[in-house]
Amino acid sequence: AQSVTQLDSQVPVFEEAPVELRCNYSSSVSVYLFWYVQYPNQGLQLLLKYLSGSTLVESINGFEAEFNKSQTSFHLRKPSVHISDTAEYFCAVSGGFKTIFGAGTRLFVKA
Amino acid sequence: NAGVTQTPKFQVLKTGQSMTLQCAQDMNHEYMSWYRQDPGMGLRLIHYSVGAGITDQGEVPNGYNVSRSTTEDFPLRLLSAAPSQTSVYFCASSKDGSSSYEQYFGPGTRLTVT
Repeated sequence: AQSVTQLDSQVPVFEEAPVELRCNYSSSVSVYLFWYVQYPNQGLQLLLKYLSGSTLVESINGFEAEFNKSQTSFHLRKPSVHISDTAEYFCAVSGGFKTIFGAGTRLFVKA
Repeated sequence: NAGVTQTPKFQVLKTGQSMTLQCAQDMNHEYMSWYRQDPGMGLRLIHYSVGAGITDQGEVPNGYNVSRSTTEDFPLRLLSAAPSQTSVYFCASSKDGSSSYEQYFGPGTRLTVT
């Protein structure tokens, strides 16, 4: 069985500050790891994913996440956030035809 | 490509009524799934399908039925609506059942059961 824990339900941050959204997972089998973003009143969109290889993965809009197998973590970071990054972010693990999502972290960027 | 489409966008039902939430995709994806999203609980998998004619249960299947007669469509049926089924429902699809493929989500259906 798989599970995902997002350690912060809400993260307020000022514009241009760095941010880290934390995600821990557990699984008895190999899994793939994803971060999705949900803007208000929309469905989820893929932000980035880790399948294999380099443990650091990046998105096109400046986010990055690092897979840490020993700590079973996949934290999401951005060195400088924008107002437009305000959204809910979901960490997810996939294995065996099922994807399990975390409860979500609401990122609120303040001017 | 329209991607994943869902109808209706909003629905209000009375307890005991039945209805079908529609989902369609035009990407020729084999894998489709239904989730419900509730505050503080993330997305929970209701049912999924790895291809036409093949469906299976997710984490929270009770009170819901699905079928998959074509690759494109994956309707979700509520047999007898209950207030506990008030939620936002998302349909998603991916290339196949391999866990390495990301899912593409529809815009959601907001359901209220009174």
